[in-house]
Amino acid sequence: GAVVSQHPSWVICKSGTSVKIECRSLDFQATTMFWYRQFPKQSLMLMATSNEGSKATYEQGVEKDKFLINHASLTLSTLTVTSAHPEDSSFYICSARDGGGVYTFGSGTRLTVV
Amino acid sequence: GENVEQHPSTLSVQEGDSAVIKCTYSDSASNYFPWYKQELGKRPQLIIDIRSNVGEKKDQRIAVTLNKTAKHFSLHITETQPEDSAVYFCAAYASGGSYIPTFGRGTSLIVHP
Repeated sequence: GAVVSQHPSWVICKSGTSVKIECRSLDFQATTMFWYRQFPKQSLMLMATSNEGSKATYEQGVEKDKFLINHASLTLSTLTVTSAHPEDSSFYICSARDGGGVYTFGSGTRLTVV
Repeated sequence: GENVEQHPSTLSVQEGDSAVIKCTYSDSASNYFPWYKQELGKRPQLIIDIRSNVGEKKDQRIAVTLNKTAKHFSLHITETQPEDSAVYFCAAYASGGSYIPTFGRGTSLIVHP
């Protein structure tokens, strides 16, 4: 089946610094990838839709200047959390849709801002 | 847009019992309904899915039923085992095009040995 790789799996950073998370589709091309945020014991909250070669589409309430998304190729999307603060600590998960319309999730990134 | 309601939020069963999780959706255009299992700190894993042209699908101890008229679909797990303990999410969307899945709020299933 389709495989989506996400790195890093966890990261601890200091408040004010930026963190980049990568999401790669390993065996298929994904023109569209999605970034989710998940708080403990809660569902997946869609942050933005990442479109290859164009600007990302952000959900209402998500700061585009804080969560920078780049989809430079058909297999790679990156999410950069800029000037991170403790309230940005969360579990971030990407997903990609394969040619059959099935969504596959990355392994997630646990971000802790101290 | 699509709205997906999932119940119950928590389900506790004894090993060997059956577990049923129900979801309703609002958009009649939705035609694809996957179920995901998420263990603590890990990615959601697709466990079963159903398309709108099918009423029921089964895979060993897991089954999903769909009632298009009533706009609801359910996950059935029989002979539950402790390793079934996890959070289960339903989703609904129209496959193809640019439709994005809408997820339910999740059900925490606890199977007691």
